[in-house]
Amino acid sequence: GENVEQHPSTLSVQEGDSAVIKCTYSDSASNYFPWYKQELGKGPQLIIDIRSNVGEKKDQRIAVTLNKTAKHFSLHITETQPEDSAVYFCAASPNQAGTALIFGKGTTLSVSS
Amino acid sequence: DSGVTQTPKHLITATGQRVTLRCSPRSGDLSVYWYQQSLDQGLQFLIHYYNGEERAKGNILERFSAQQFPDLHSELNLSSLELGDSALYFCASSVEGRGVSPLHFGNGTRLTVT
Repeated sequence: GENVEQHPSTLSVQEGDSAVIKCTYSDSASNYFPWYKQELGKGPQLIIDIRSNVGEKKDQRIAVTLNKTAKHFSLHITETQPEDSAVYFCAASPNQAGTALIFGKGTTLSVSS
Repeated sequence: DSGVTQTPKHLITATGQRVTLRCSPRSGDLSVYWYQQSLDQGLQFLIHYYNGEERAKGNILERFSAQQFPDLHSELNLSSLELGDSALYFCASSVEGRGVSPLHFGNGTRLTVT
């Protein structure tokens, strides 16, 4: 089955810096790659997603890149702000019956002002 | 607000007991997924229901079971509870049933087994 590895587990940056979180997946059949942000006491919330027919997607300060050949995808946050501090999860979905989104173990991002 | 409602928010119970966690999906969503979140294991997929039928099973213990009712709400039953079952349990819903559309998560039920 699918396995998703996420790095780093913790990331500390200064306000205004960029943050990059990387994930690799094992199942070449996976074709949907969302990123979720989880704030304390809340459930994960989708912030951006990308499908296998696209190499890059941007939404304001957030971007995601996908390299299907290497089976890895990354989240880029530019001009970080203290409110970006949270746990970020990547996930991959094999798009097959009998499967579901498989998540990485998360990255705790701390943005200090 | 994701539109997914989970009750109760907190649950404290003793080892050996049985509990039921409830989830109401977003209006219009037919799929319900259950995930377990513990500190060292991240979000672990447990089980998926689509329009009342079980569609996928993940790392769900035999002591755990779930169902989705005709009104599309779902319940996760945990029995013979052990200390290691203490975790956050999340329900998520989506429109379709193949895992390639966004999941909308509730705020979870925190289970503490003493």
